[in-house]
Amino acid sequence: EAGVAQSPRYKIIEKRQSVAFWCNPISGHATLYWYQQILGQGPKLLIQFQNNGVVDDSQLPKDRFSAERLKGVDSTLKIQPAKLEDSAVYLCASSPNLEDRESNYGYTFGSGTRLTVV
Amino acid sequence: AQSVTQLDSQVPVFEEAPVELRCNYSSSVSVYLFWYVQYPNQGLQLLLKYLSGSTLVKGINGFEAEFNKSQTSFHLRKPSVHISDTAEYFCAVSVDDYKLSFGAGTTVTVRA
Repeated sequence: EAGVAQSPRYKIIEKRQSVAFWCNPISGHATLYWYQQILGQGPKLLIQFQNNGVVDDSQLPKDRFSAERLKGVDSTLKIQPAKLEDSAVYLCASSPNLEDRESNYGYTFGSGTRLTVV
Repeated sequence: AQSVTQLDSQVPVFEEAPVELRCNYSSSVSVYLFWYVQYPNQGLQLLLKYLSGSTLVKGINGFEAEFNKSQTSFHLRKPSVHISDTAEYFCAVSVDDYKLSFGAGTTVTVRA
């Protein structure tokens, strides 16, 4: 099966500009996650979707970050305006929403989008 | 809230030598535990996970980990490493909500 697709792979913007990242999960995966990985740190969850609804966005800085998952498939993460501290790799992951825990913890991560804010 | 501490930020090791990466967690409830590997410019790949059952978990690429509830640890081991094992390794914990909390990572460098 095809993996989680993310684009672009790299993005360089100036502070105060806006940027958007795109994620296409594995076909049929109901749950989609966005994680932020700052250099030297482990990934941190930003938002979790179940189909096209938000399950958890408690760690999303809502004054500048927004995310949507229209039609329960693709997702877009936007930052507006960007700050220097937003420089990070943004990882998208998906998992099926089946009855068993074993399957639901079988995350597949995309290769990520590396954002540099200058 | 749960958290993860990876006790070593960098681990240099010679090829064919054993390696152990240490991970401790804190949580007030039962947890599920994971180890992921990240190769340069790639996403995270699951090495192994503990959800229930045997506390010794075997994963891909010859890795294994042991869940120790009394010591709140989940250390990762490999008896003989290869150059291709050079990567960053992340320990993660979840409390049955499918969200992962990651440690800061351990960089493993395998030398010939």
